[in-house]
Amino acid sequence: AQTVTQSQPEMSVQEAETVTLSCTYDTSESDYYLFWYKQPPSRQMILVIRQEAYKQQNATENRFSVNFQKAAKSFSLKISDSQLGDAAMYFCAYRSQVYNNNDMRFGAGTRLTVKP
Amino acid sequence: EAQVTQNPRYLITVTGKKLTVTCSQNMNHEYMSWYRQDPGLGLRQIYYSMNVEVTDKGDVPEGYKVSRKEKRNFPLILESPSPNQTSLYFCASSLSWGSGSYEQYFGPGTRLTVT
Repeated sequence: AQTVTQSQPEMSVQEAETVTLSCTYDTSESDYYLFWYKQPPSRQMILVIRQEAYKQQNATENRFSVNFQKAAKSFSLKISDSQLGDAAMYFCAYRSQVYNNNDMRFGAGTRLTVKP
Repeated sequence: EAQVTQNPRYLITVTGKKLTVTCSQNMNHEYMSWYRQDPGLGLRQIYYSMNVEVTDKGDVPEGYKVSRKEKRNFPLILESPSPNQTSLYFCASSLSWGSGSYEQYFGPGTRLTVT
């Protein structure tokens, strides 16, 4: 079964600085999606960014970008110009694209603190 | 407004008292799913449904039941809750589970405490 590992339980960053959250995954599949979700104190799960495995280009969404290394099975999230509102729990997730494979896996999460 | 709703948002109950957490979506999504979130474990899937009357087990189905009689609703039933089911529960939906329909929309979560 696929597994997702976030090795950093907690991270902190100074406001306006850049921080990178790590995620590795294990799979034998070639087609899949990867996601980063943000969970602020409100507990709502918010999709930050997604990456299709077949795309070599790294996804970007404003201040959020990923470094997708398919061979290394690594999917890190970079937050630039960090803002106080970025403080949250961040989850990395894997979703299979194999037909009829419902597999969606989440990492344990990384709690990000932003210092003013 | 497109959304997934869950009720109740908070629930404290006692061991063995049957309860139901409702989930409803207004986006005509085929796929719905339940997760539980526990510290240090992330989200783990309990049950999912590919469409009406089609449900299947996720990673942690023990102690839970679901039904999908209508497309919009996917209730989670705990027939005899136990303290190890104390958790934060999320319902999610997506258009389908095929290519290009990958985004899941999450409900606001239900905090359940079983004493």
